[in-house]
Amino acid sequence: SQTIHQWPATLVQPVGSPLSLECTVEGTSNPNLYWYRQAAGRGLQLLFYSVGIGQISSEVPQNLSASRPQDRQFILSSKKLLLSDSGFYLCAWSGPSGSNNEQFFGPGTRLTVL
Amino acid sequence: KQEVTQIPAALSVPEGENLVLNCSFTDSAIYNLQWFRQDPGKGLTSLLLIQSSQREQTSGRLNASLDKSSGRSTLYIAASQPGDSATYLCAVGDDYKLSFGAGTTVTVRA
Repeated sequence: SQTIHQWPATLVQPVGSPLSLECTVEGTSNPNLYWYRQAAGRGLQLLFYSVGIGQISSEVPQNLSASRPQDRQFILSSKKLLLSDSGFYLCAWSGPSGSNNEQFFGPGTRLTVL
Repeated sequence: KQEVTQIPAALSVPEGENLVLNCSFTDSAIYNLQWFRQDPGKGLTSLLLIQSSQREQTSGRLNASLDKSSGRSTLYIAASQPGDSATYLCAVGDDYKLSFGAGTTVTVRA
């Protein structure tokens, strides 16, 4: 069966510090991968998606970047965090393009920028 | 741009009552529609996926319907239990992205 992991679960960082959140998927090959952010009182916003190694699409201009160094690894990064980067970050996966595209989510990382 | 609306924002019912959660979307050219459950501080759990060619999907006490022409989906939860208390999210998909509603927070009172 497929499993999706995210770490860390919780993170408190000062403004201006760097960020690296990691997501890995087990039990599937060539998944589509996604990063979402859920801010307090707001819906989920798609930040990045990837259909393959090294292929990243950005949905909104922002202070963040994403990378996919391996087939089942997706990393969210920032060089300098802003207060507005606080939120709940969720990674998700779905089957390759052309599959039924059902998305499955990880447990999330709660980021607080002070 | 797809806009997804969920009404009501919150719902409180006594145990045993049936739940009806509504979702509407503005662009009927969808690939699929997915209902999720989210417990406080947790990730999303997929409940049901309806493909654009389908009218409904069922899983246990859950039934979801889809009417693309009117831009609506409804999630029915039969005989609600306190363990059904959570936020329920509707998400409309194109071929790779999901657009989410803000959710309906459900409280089932024992």
